[in-house]
Amino acid sequence: QIQLVQSGPELKKPGETVKISCKASGYTFTNYGMNWVKQAPGKGLKWMGWINTYTGEPTYADDFKGRFAFSLETSASTAYLQINNLKNEDTATYFCARRNFAYWGQGTLVTVSA
Amino acid sequence: DIKMTQSPSSMYASLGERVTITCKASQDINSYLSWFQQKPGKSPKTLIYRANRLVDGVPSRFSGSGSGQDYSLTISSLEYEDMGIYYCLQYDEFPRTFGGGTKLEIK
Repeated sequence: QIQLVQSGPELKKPGETVKISCKASGYTFTNYGMNWVKQAPGKGLKWMGWINTYTGEPTYADDFKGRFAFSLETSASTAYLQINNLKNEDTATYFCARRNFAYWGQGTLVTVSA
Repeated sequence: DIKMTQSPSSMYASLGERVTITCKASQDINSYLSWFQQKPGKSPKTLIYRANRLVDGVPSRFSGSGSGQDYSLTISSLEYEDMGIYYCLQYDEFPRTFGGGTKLEIK
């Protein structure tokens, strides 16, 4: 069965870097792009962008250009989200979701606190 | 960017009641609309895609309709397990955009 399994919760300080993983199984990884979605505590869903898992080309929503980076380890069917220079407002649960959002990871809570 | 206006933002309904949630896009999105249900601490669950296509395994009391700019999600007979927050999403254009959510609670 198709699964997206994300890495565990992270506690970071402002200015640090975090890298979240999303491991796919049950399908051919490179056939479907991967979206990333942010959900701040008590808030709605916000699309961050997506990465073409065949070419590796990322596309970022305007609010996520600069400190955010999507990458792949195709041999491991894994997508990554890296956030550099963390800020308090990056505290959120981050989800990966397969193309067209049919399948979602379980979410990774990132807490940024001094 | 396409703005998705979802309503109501919250509602109470009784068990067995028919419930309708709407989403209005700021432009025609060609039926590229999905509906999701999210429960506390869980990832969103896809209910409907392409405006009216029910995802396998989703109860038939859920249905989607609409075209152009206007879409709706209907629960024909509310059950307790339907409590949660519902979101619409347009995937006609980049950036993908979600509605603000509808919190559905049982009366």
